[in-house]
Amino acid sequence: DAGVTQSPTHLIKTRGQQVTLRCSPKSGHDTVSWYQQALGQGPQFIFQYYEEEERQRGNFPDRFSGHQFPNYSSELNVNALLLGDSALYLCASSLWEGTYGYTFGSGTRLTVV
Amino acid sequence: KQEVTQIPAALSVPEGENLVLNCSFTDSAIYNLQWFRQDPGKGLTSLLLIQSSQREQTSGRLNASLDKSSGRSTLYIAASQPGDSATYLCAANSGYSTLTFGKGTMLLVSP
Repeated sequence: DAGVTQSPTHLIKTRGQQVTLRCSPKSGHDTVSWYQQALGQGPQFIFQYYEEEERQRGNFPDRFSGHQFPNYSSELNVNALLLGDSALYLCASSLWEGTYGYTFGSGTRLTVV
Repeated sequence: KQEVTQIPAALSVPEGENLVLNCSFTDSAIYNLQWFRQDPGKGLTSLLLIQSSQREQTSGRLNASLDKSSGRSTLYIAASQPGDSATYLCAANSGYSTLTFGKGTMLLVSP
């Protein structure tokens, strides 16, 4: 049973560019959440998607946007990249509000230069 | 707003020791609490999930307890091994579709 799959694994972008990260949830899960983890910190919640709609959003600017597709997979888009956006981006999937816990992917390491 | 604190920030022990990692949270109205392991530069691996109605969960050499009234959870690792070296994160699920994480405890187990 495949877990959460994220792509790409690593990415290097130039300041001001745009980036798209992708996530396929664990089989049977219908909810996808995105987290940003800076070096030495715990993951910070960006937003969550359920039934193709953004259900909840953390304290991140509008430059961060997302999408969920009918097959429950999701994309995270970041526009006008800043050096401070360099981080590990983690995708997590769950059923509804995580009553049975969250499953995380291996992450995408984004470096902005 | 939920806040999660993990103590200690780092821990170094010799192989074979039993150890306890601590996690505290400010809002006791949680659905559940989840412990994760993270290897350097990698994603999160779920270790244990404790529902709000439970007091503890066990998996192999790992035992996690939950005391909602005091806002505390502990992760007990028995007979530690070098392969246990990693960062351990606890996360509180307070509903509202979010997990709130601590900064983690970095564990080093020496042979």
